[in-house]
Amino acid sequence: GAVVSQHPSRVICKSGTSVKIECRSLDFQATTMFWYRQFPKQSLMLMATSNEGSKATYEQGVEKDKFLINHASLTLSTLTVTSAHPEDSSFYICSVPGLAYNEQFFGPGTRLTVL
Amino acid sequence: AQRVTQPEKLLSVFKGAPVELKCNYSYSGSPELFWYVQYSRQRLQLLLRHISRESIKGFTADLNKGETSFHLKKPFAQEEDSAMYYCALRMDSSYKLIFGSGTRLLVRP
Repeated sequence: GAVVSQHPSRVICKSGTSVKIECRSLDFQATTMFWYRQFPKQSLMLMATSNEGSKATYEQGVEKDKFLINHASLTLSTLTVTSAHPEDSSFYICSVPGLAYNEQFFGPGTRLTVL
Repeated sequence: AQRVTQPEKLLSVFKGAPVELKCNYSYSGSPELFWYVQYSRQRLQLLLRHISRESIKGFTADLNKGETSFHLKKPFAQEEDSAMYYCALRMDSSYKLIFGSGTRLLVRP
C-alpha cells in the first residue's frame, strides 16, 4: 500500500498566524488526496478532497478561504490554515486512496495547537 | 443523509471473551463498508472490507443490508486487539469515506 507522510507532526502557533501542513505520498502517485479533521475523542470528519492540478472540493460547512488546499504535484498536497484561531486546534489527517479506491492509506496526522 | 453509527464509545472485555463492535449505517444506495483500526500511537489502517469477506486477525464482519449493519466480531479477544475501531461507509461512485464515531476496545488480561 501507499506510504503517506505528514509534516510537521505537531505545531503550536499564535492566534492569527497561518500554518501549512504537508501531506506526501512517498511511493505512490496520487491525483486525489483527502484531508480530515479529528477533534479529541471524536471521529474523523472529511474536510476536503484535494485534486491534483485543479481546485479542491470542500465539504459542506468547511470554509475554503480558511483552509487553503494546494495539490501541486502527484505526491504532495498542502493544507494551509489561515489566520488560525484556538478553535482550529485539532488533529489534521490526510489520506491517499488506493489503486481501486476501495482502501485509503492514512498519514500519521498533524496536531495543531493555536494559542 | 448518509450516516454511520457506532453506539458504543467503549467496550471492555476480558481476554478470551467474544467481542462484537456494533456498526449501523444509513444509505439508500449500494454501500461499501469498512472497518479501520487505530492502535495506540499508530496511524489509522484498514482492518477489513465487506466486499472481501475476509477474516483478519480473527475478526470478521458481515454486511446485513436488511438491518443496515456491519458489526465486527471476534470469538476470542486478545490483549493486542485493544485499539480504537472505526466503521466507515463508502458511497457508490464516490471516493469519500464517512466514518462512525469510533469504539475503543479494551481487552483486559
